[in-house]
Amino acid sequence: DSGVTQTPKHLITATGQRVTLRCSPRSGDLSVYWYQQSLDQGLQFLIQYYNGEERAKGNILERFSAQQFPDLHSELNLSSLELGDSALYFCASSPKDSLAKNIQYFGAGTRLSVL
Amino acid sequence: AQKITQTQPGMFVQEKEAVTLDCTYDTSDPSYGLFWYKQPSSGEMIFLIYQGSYDQQNATEGRYSLNFQKARKSANLVISASQLGDSAMYFCAMRVFGAGGTSYGKLTFGQGTILTVHP
Repeated sequence: DSGVTQTPKHLITATGQRVTLRCSPRSGDLSVYWYQQSLDQGLQFLIQYYNGEERAKGNILERFSAQQFPDLHSELNLSSLELGDSALYFCASSPKDSLAKNIQYFGAGTRLSVL
Repeated sequence: AQKITQTQPGMFVQEKEAVTLDCTYDTSDPSYGLFWYKQPSSGEMIFLIYQGSYDQQNATEGRYSLNFQKARKSANLVISASQLGDSAMYFCAMRVFGAGGTSYGKLTFGQGTILTVHP
């Protein structure tokens, strides 16, 4: 168990809908990262938050947004869902944002199916 | 831009034997970290081992070791004494630390290698 908790584990929804994925980082970790894993794109970095502030942005669609709350949990919001958004969404956390060895520990993922 | 290449889509190994999973990387930044993760069929991503670009010695973690050849830009994972539970997808990933102390968290992943351990 990595200590990173993601809910829900599975999500089935329809095109055009909006969903929220939730992530609780490991105790004490300040950084939260979101990744998308799909068959055609592989594992892609979406966005990073550090202590409530957006730190880095990857290939995140405008229909997607995220935030990190004062208690450090994070939510990824996906709206106007399309079939191609079906994927495994991972949250990861790490202790801090520095040059030192900074391991990202992953949650079990949320499997999103858009029908 | 950074790139990770894993050229072996699938690998087979006999139980108790050693196996090497290949990873080459491309970056112009001198400061970076290389990571290996394991993804079993259950889907979670499990961190295995880390190697920093300035580390003098190759990293080892139990049965995992990293054969780091900086000049060749390769970071191969060696699993010794393979076990049935090692059957999984393995990903190589890189994080570039950037200039001026800026640290961006993005991990760039390869396409992965599926390892199958035979009894």
